Amino acid sequence: QKEVEQDPGPLSVPEGAIVSLNCTYSNSAFQYFMWYRQYSRKGPELLMYTYSSGNKEDGRFTAQVDKSSKYISLFIRDSQPSDSATYLCAGGGSNYKLTFGKGTLLTVNP
Amino acid sequence: DAGVTQSPTHLIKTRGQQVTLRCSPKSGHDTVSWYQQALGQGPQFIFQYYEEEERQRGNFPDRFSGHQFPNYSSELNVNALLLGDSALYLCASSLSAIPQEKLFFGSGTQLSVL
Repeated sequence: QKEVEQDPGPLSVPEGAIVSLNCTYSNSAFQYFMWYRQYSRKGPELLMYTYSSGNKEDGRFTAQVDKSSKYISLFIRDSQPSDSATYLCAGGGSNYKLTFGKGTLLTVNP
Repeated sequence: DAGVTQSPTHLIKTRGQQVTLRCSPKSGHDTVSWYQQALGQGPQFIFQYYEEEERQRGNFPDRFSGHQFPNYSSELNVNALLLGDSALYLCASSLSAIPQEKLFFGSGTQLSVL
């Protein structure tokens, strides 16, 4: 079992839709969680950072972490064509490395 | 404020050759991590450097080695290249050695091994 599981998609939605992206993880030592956005053949860009359980909101983006069920979510409101990218979830603990999911490819159609 | 910069952007090598990739961290950052991202996969941790020492290593063979310089920049060296080493190599920097610090990535070096 991979430490971080993420449905690779692809996911296609119309502009303005609410997008829900999800990951599950198996490593109980994970303390912090990140979501990255990656455009084709570019480096990942940090979107959201959450420490422990709870919600965090930043503009159109909301990240949720439920440590009891080992479930991570990212919600994108009023999605835009510029949101089309691969979204990577990642978890980290005390050992200085991030463990990533495979990424979900999202396309927002105008 | 310059972000994480990597060079070169693209590289083509043949099997058995050696390659060196370079990274300059974001201004003010002192910790550098390297990740390998194969096509269609998430990044995988290679190792992290802090205070010019390898602090943590992922599940990669000894063919992968690195170095950090006093100015915090870093190099990744890969010896005896295999076809399977073809990937996007990402450098990430962070501030201090706290594990929970946010990682900021460069644009990567695309390595093709023929």
